Amino acid sequence: KAGVTQTPRYLIKTRGQQVTLSCSPISGHRSVSWYQQTPGQGLQFLFEYFSETQRNKGNFPGRFSGRQFSNSRSEMNVSTLELGDSALYLCASSVDSTEQFFGPGTRLTVL
Amino acid sequence: AQSVTQLDSQVPVFEEAPVELRCNYSSSVSVYLFWYVQYPNQGLQLLLKYLSGSTLVESINGFEAEFNKSQTSFHLRKPSVHISDTAEYFCAVGGAGGTSYGKLTFGQGTILTVHP
Repeated sequence: KAGVTQTPRYLIKTRGQQVTLSCSPISGHRSVSWYQQTPGQGLQFLFEYFSETQRNKGNFPGRFSGRQFSNSRSEMNVSTLELGDSALYLCASSVDSTEQFFGPGTRLTVL
Repeated sequence: AQSVTQLDSQVPVFEEAPVELRCNYSSSVSVYLFWYVQYPNQGLQLLLKYLSGSTLVESINGFEAEFNKSQTSFHLRKPSVHISDTAEYFCAVGGAGGTSYGKLTFGQGTILTVHP
């Protein structure tokens, strides 16, 4: 089976712009979770989608949003980018949101 | 709410020596426990998991961890490490349903460095 794929792998944006990141889960996985990884805060949960519904959300501002499509692919969007949004964004897929398999991540740099 | 504490931020060891990476967790609900490994500029790879059943779980590359409910611990051990084990290791806890849907809570990570 192919693993979790994330595109793009690297992204450079400037403050105030918005960005969309994409995640394709392992075939048959209906749950997709997103995480932000930074040196200072570590790995933090953003949100989880299951069958196109957001079931859980972490403690992030409303500038962070996501969605899931009928084929289980997911996107996350960050609007009005701030310098502090620079991070590695990881998505993970699972059959039932327990055992999660991670993609390689998207490295976002905000200038 | 759940939390994870990894007691060592860095662990240096020599090749072929044993190693233990310590992890303690706090949770008000039944938990699932995981160890992930991250190599530079890569995502997280699942190393091993405790979902239920036997409290001792093993990976294919020689690591093992034991779920200790009374001590709320899930320490990772390997009897003999290799240079290739050099990486950052994350302990994580997940729960069943409710506010735990799809959410793993991670520790701050332990950087394991294996010296020749």
